[in-house]
Amino acid sequence: EPEVTQTPSHQVTQMGQEVILRCVPISNHLYFYWYRQILGQKVEFLVSFYNNEISEKSEIFDDQFSVERPDGSNFTLKIRSTKLEDSAMYFCAGAWNPGADDTGELFFGEGSRLTVL
Amino acid sequence: AQKITQTQPGMFVQEKEAVTLDCTYDTSDPSYGLFWYKQPSSGEMIFLIYQGSYDQQNATEGRYSLNFQKARKSANLVISASQLGDSAMYFCAMREGWEASGSRLTFGEGTQLTVNP
Repeated sequence: EPEVTQTPSHQVTQMGQEVILRCVPISNHLYFYWYRQILGQKVEFLVSFYNNEISEKSEIFDDQFSVERPDGSNFTLKIRSTKLEDSAMYFCAGAWNPGADDTGELFFGEGSRLTVL
Repeated sequence: AQKITQTQPGMFVQEKEAVTLDCTYDTSDPSYGLFWYKQPSSGEMIFLIYQGSYDQQNATEGRYSLNFQKARKSANLVISASQLGDSAMYFCAMREGWEASGSRLTFGEGTQLTVNP
């Protein structure tokens, strides 16, 4: 069964450094998302991506964040200058497979844990 | 106002008994979907069950069923015959808009379920 894969599974970085989190979504999906989950808290929406552009973003997704899907497969989240409060689990997700019996459910990757020191 | 409310931060249940996890939602969109995800301690997000706003029947998936009360805007998850492996965080989530809209999911705060032997 196809799945969403994320790398790295865990990254430790110094405050102020750039971080790139990578995701390979399920190929048939049309919508892609990044969510984050600060330890012990709920899952928060960051950004959605459709047709090679951002379709929606939250107030969390400020100028420090960017996303791209450069080669039609990898979907990346870049944090330009990390802050301590960026420490969280970051989940990539995909949705909507046209022609399938799809509920619009999000298929999540296993997450990338980011620790900012 | 919160779109998804889970009022039970923690729940305990004896093995083999049934448990209900509460979820209420708030939306003015006539088309929406409600989801439950399980997050074990390993951190991944596992889809459990889906209920569409126009579905006439309550959704069921094995030991999981969704008690959908549209007028009350509630979508409680019922787990029958609890197992030790059911111990996890459970998140209720909502998509506003139809299945192919690509709308983000909004998550509740979660309920930590502990199944006692």
